[in-house]
Amino acid sequence: TQLLEQSPQFLSIQEGENLTVYCNSSSVFSSLQWYRQEPGEGPVLLVTVVTGGEVKKLKRLTFQFGDARKDSSLHITAAQPGDTGLYLCAGFRSNDYKLSFGAGTTVTVRA
Amino acid sequence: DTAVSQTPKYLVTQMGNDKSIKCEQNLGHDTMYWYKQDSKKFLKIMFSYNNKELIINETVPNRFSPKSPDKAHLNLHINSLELGDSAVYFCASSLGLAGADEQFFGPGTRLTVL
Repeated sequence: TQLLEQSPQFLSIQEGENLTVYCNSSSVFSSLQWYRQEPGEGPVLLVTVVTGGEVKKLKRLTFQFGDARKDSSLHITAAQPGDTGLYLCAGFRSNDYKLSFGAGTTVTVRA
Repeated sequence: DTAVSQTPKYLVTQMGNDKSIKCEQNLGHDTMYWYKQDSKKFLKIMFSYNNKELIINETVPNRFSPKSPDKAHLNLHINSLELGDSAVYFCASSLGLAGADEQFFGPGTRLTVL
């Protein structure tokens, strides 16, 4: 069983639409990161959130960390074809030094 | 300049063989990692070294042995390769500990065991 559950697994939308990806767990995390991975490449960090309830914005991307630090969401406004990729959340627990990735959400934005 | 580099990019080998994947980072980071990404894109941490010391060792068959000759290098040696070892292996590094700092990933090594 995975520590972090991501949903949906796949998402295909038209350019200009909005989308939200969820990352949920029953565990509390010290920090949570979101990465994007393009085919044939390694993941690249988008954001790190550390405070419960924290909201971070990166241009059209909005990241939220749940109040209890067990879940997070990534919202993309007016998606563009360049947003296509595999989005991965990663949670870190400092008490047992456990680092876990979600299974990923494959996002396809059609022009 | 490549921040985290891995060699080879592709590795095709027969079952039972022994192979190594090399990783180097030129970022001056203290921590390095090996991940395995399976065909379903699930990324699982295997090992982590901080200043050449093993700090994360997930449940991985002992056929996998990491070796860190210095802070800038973390190599992965795999003995007696099995079909299930086929995957993409990523090396990564971070300044401090994972979760607090950004991890920089290499381009991956696609291992195919026949």
